[in-house]
Amino acid sequence: NAGVTQTPKFQVLKTGQSMTLQCAQDMNHNSMYWYRQDPGMGLRLIYYSASEGTTDKGEVPNGYNVSRLNKREFSLRLESAAPSQTSVYFCASSLTRGELFFGEGSRLTVL
Amino acid sequence: QKEVEQNSGPLSVPEGAIASLNCTYSDRVSQSFFWYRQYSGKSPELIMSIYSNGDKEDGRFTAQLNKASQYVSLLIRDSQPSDSATYLCAVSRGGADGLTFGKGTHLIIQP
Repeated sequence: NAGVTQTPKFQVLKTGQSMTLQCAQDMNHNSMYWYRQDPGMGLRLIYYSASEGTTDKGEVPNGYNVSRLNKREFSLRLESAAPSQTSVYFCASSLTRGELFFGEGSRLTVL
Repeated sequence: QKEVEQNSGPLSVPEGAIASLNCTYSDRVSQSFFWYRQYSGKSPELIMSIYSNGDKEDGRFTAQLNKASQYVSLLIRDSQPSDSATYLCAVSRGGADGLTFGKGTHLIIQP
């Protein structure tokens, strides 16, 4: 049972490049989330999907897009990466009442 | 603006003693409260959840909630060096719109 799987785990981009972070969960959870974690800023919610077919903005959505491909998969896309998007990105899923289960994280550096 | 405040630490506690971690939150409609543990370079791991006023015990961990004071705490009894980590307090309104996290308290258990 893998839980929440994120790919890639590490990525280096140049400013202006695009990329997609992939996330899949095998726990049959309804809700999925993308957070970023920066030193001194804590975990901040980028986007979430309460259920298959829906997505909503979180606290810091600018510069990102998401797709809830099906119940298992929730991807995060950076269309034109900026140095300010250098961060560790965590995908998480939840069945109910807010108990989030996190993936291992994706460390992104934008030069 | 929903805010969750924690003392960043580091909080240094001798092995075998009780570690006390505190958290305050600003959103009065918060319904669900969580403590996550995060080791350096790893993803957050859920260790406790609490939904009603009072104490909730799970092994060496006790979560305490006082909604009137908007205060959540985590006690770790018989602290072990393996408890050294950053502890994140998180709150939710109870829906599927994700958790708001504090910036975390860095706990060091001294052998």
